[in-house]
Amino acid sequence: GAGVSQSPRYKVAKRGQDVALRCDPISGHVSLFWYQQALGQGPEFLTYFQNEAQLDKSGLPSDRFFAERPEGSVSTLKIQRTQQEDSAVYLCASSLDPGGTNNQPQHFGDGTRLSIL
Amino acid sequence: DQQVKQNSPSLSVQEGRISILNCDYTNSMFDYFLWYKKYPAEGPTFLISISSIKDKNEDGRFTVFLNKSAKHLSLHIVPSQPGDSAVYFCAANSGGGATNKLIFGTGTLLAVQP
Repeated sequence: GAGVSQSPRYKVAKRGQDVALRCDPISGHVSLFWYQQALGQGPEFLTYFQNEAQLDKSGLPSDRFFAERPEGSVSTLKIQRTQQEDSAVYLCASSLDPGGTNNQPQHFGDGTRLSIL
Repeated sequence: DQQVKQNSPSLSVQEGRISILNCDYTNSMFDYFLWYKKYPAEGPTFLISISSIKDKNEDGRFTVFLNKSAKHLSLHIVPSQPGDSAVYFCAANSGGGATNKLIFGTGTLLAVQP
């Protein structure tokens, strides 16, 4: 497909387990973003990649959260030793915009709904 | 501290009438604004955007107005259709930096009644 693809769509894990969430951005999109959306809230920024470089990880809530994009396309968000407060929808977005003033909209995937028991 | 605010959690409109969704922001560095539409169990879908050098942008039934002095923007949908029923998010970013991360409001649930 032509859109942003995320997998799995749903993930249930026990507290303390590690999880990995995958994002396939739109082909050719330089920028990739991860957001976390809690129930009843808007998405909140986690981290940003420009190609393979992670330029901003200021939104990651703790050092249990780790993201990578080794070849500048697919990205993985990993959460170690999950806790109940990690339960949320994790959204991935991509855009053509390499940063700077050439604003381009971000296009979102359908997200991964993570539930920690 | 909420930098982007959508003060109306919900809005109900009759089919064929105008829907007006409002958004306020506090950061004067924001220079690019977007509206997203979200259906349940789907990701946000980009709808329309506006740069701070403009005060209006129109795309079909959707028009976004920006009032920089009031730090306010609004989305007008005319005429409203039942398929427009969704949650609408306002978002903003400050271009020119290394990250074009979006700051989102909390959303407004629009219900268009047939």
